[in-house]
Amino acid sequence: EVQLVESGGGLVQPGRSLRLSCAASGFSFENSAMHWVRQAPGKGLEWVSGISWNSGSIDYGDSVKGRFTISRDNAKNSLYLQMDSLRAEDTAVYYCGKDKGVWVGGGIDYWGQGILVTVSS
Amino acid sequence: QSALTQPPSASGSPGQSVTISCTGTSSDVGFYNYVSWYQQHPGKAPKLMIYEVTKRPSGVPDRFSGSKSGNTASLTVSGLQADDEADYYCSSYAGRNNLVFGGGTKLTVL
Repeated sequence: EVQLVESGGGLVQPGRSLRLSCAASGFSFENSAMHWVRQAPGKGLEWVSGISWNSGSIDYGDSVKGRFTISRDNAKNSLYLQMDSLRAEDTAVYYCGKDKGVWVGGGIDYWGQGILVTVSS
Repeated sequence: QSALTQPPSASGSPGQSVTISCTGTSSDVGFYNYVSWYQQHPGKAPKLMIYEVTKRPSGVPDRFSGSKSGNTASLTVSGLQADDEADYYCSSYAGRNNLVFGGGTKLTVL
């Protein structure tokens, strides 16, 4: 059974940093591109970042570019999102997602349960 | 990276069919056959319903179908059921490892 479990969320002050983790199991993690997608309260889905199977291809949504960093450790079946210079508008539920392919774009066929990040003073 | 355009709402009676549109540009929907559709019930994680424009993952009923014409993709739900009431999002590959989502459509089963 495919499982994606996010951790590391919580309340953080504006300007501070937070690191999200996603523990993956039940599939060949090293052969899957991965994503972070977020959803602000009452709003739609927003793609945050994606990373290819070998970390060779990475990109970010415009709203987080230069502040967030995605990474993965295939030996640990784990995906990460380092979030720096956090703003109130980064408040959202963050989902970890598995792509159907080795490169970004095939469709996100499995999603974690999501973790809430609240940026507030 | 502009969001894809979806109607905010759609509705239909049980047993009817409804189609939700997703309009992008010649740089995303119109260029790549990597359009996906997701269903999201309140408080739940999204679920993949269609990928690569027309393909259904295992377990998704064939009442759900996808298509594309030019810069617009569509999701059709046939034989509407009460459990189909949810938010639906489209997404498209937009090149250079970028993904873009639509704003979402709330489907109401009357």
